[in-house]
Amino acid sequence: RKEVEQDPGPFNVPEGATVAFNCTYSNSASQSFFWYRQDCRKEPKLLMSVYSSGNEDGRFTAQLNRASQYISLLIRDSKLSDSATYICVVSLYGNKLVFGAGTILRVKS
Amino acid sequence: DVKVTQSSRYLVKRTGEKVFLECVQDMDHENMFWYRQDPGLGLRLIYFSYDVKMKEKGDIPEGYSVSREKKERFSLILESASTNQTSMYLCASRAGTPTGELFFGEGSRLTVL
Repeated sequence: RKEVEQDPGPFNVPEGATVAFNCTYSNSASQSFFWYRQDCRKEPKLLMSVYSSGNEDGRFTAQLNRASQYISLLIRDSKLSDSATYICVVSLYGNKLVFGAGTILRVKS
Repeated sequence: DVKVTQSSRYLVKRTGEKVFLECVQDMDHENMFWYRQDPGLGLRLIYFSYDVKMKEKGDIPEGYSVSREKKERFSLILESASTNQTSMYLCASRAGTPTGELFFGEGSRLTVL
């Protein structure tokens, strides 16, 4: 079983749609959680950290469920510019970061 | 803005050649990393360094070595390139906090023929 698993997609959605991604992790000792975004032919960039109580940044909401060992990312009112690969990252300790393979999102007009 | 700069965006090398990939960061970060990214596999850690001259193996160090002589610079070396090292190589840096953001360079796409 992979340490961090994501549905690879692609998710093809119309503009204005709400889309949700899930990510499961295998190590219950995982400490920190992140969502990174990677545009085509670009480097990954931090989208948001995921906190235990859940957190929101504009149209983006991240949730953590430690009991079930998954994190989620919800994007509301999708824009064309949201098209990218969304990568789940889990930190076990210190500099031990484990990356999911990423989920491709395509928003179409 | 934090900047992580990788010396080469695209390289084509022959099997057996020695390859140097250089990375420089300008934010005085303690931690620097080399990853490779392959389709369907996500980013995999090759090596990381938490201080000058200090290094630790990541998940896939075989066939690679690294050098960190100055805080801002972290080099990845392929002593004898092989075709299975054809990949996208990403350098990253991070401050010393447990939840610090990773800042990536633009990547170096290496093709080994």
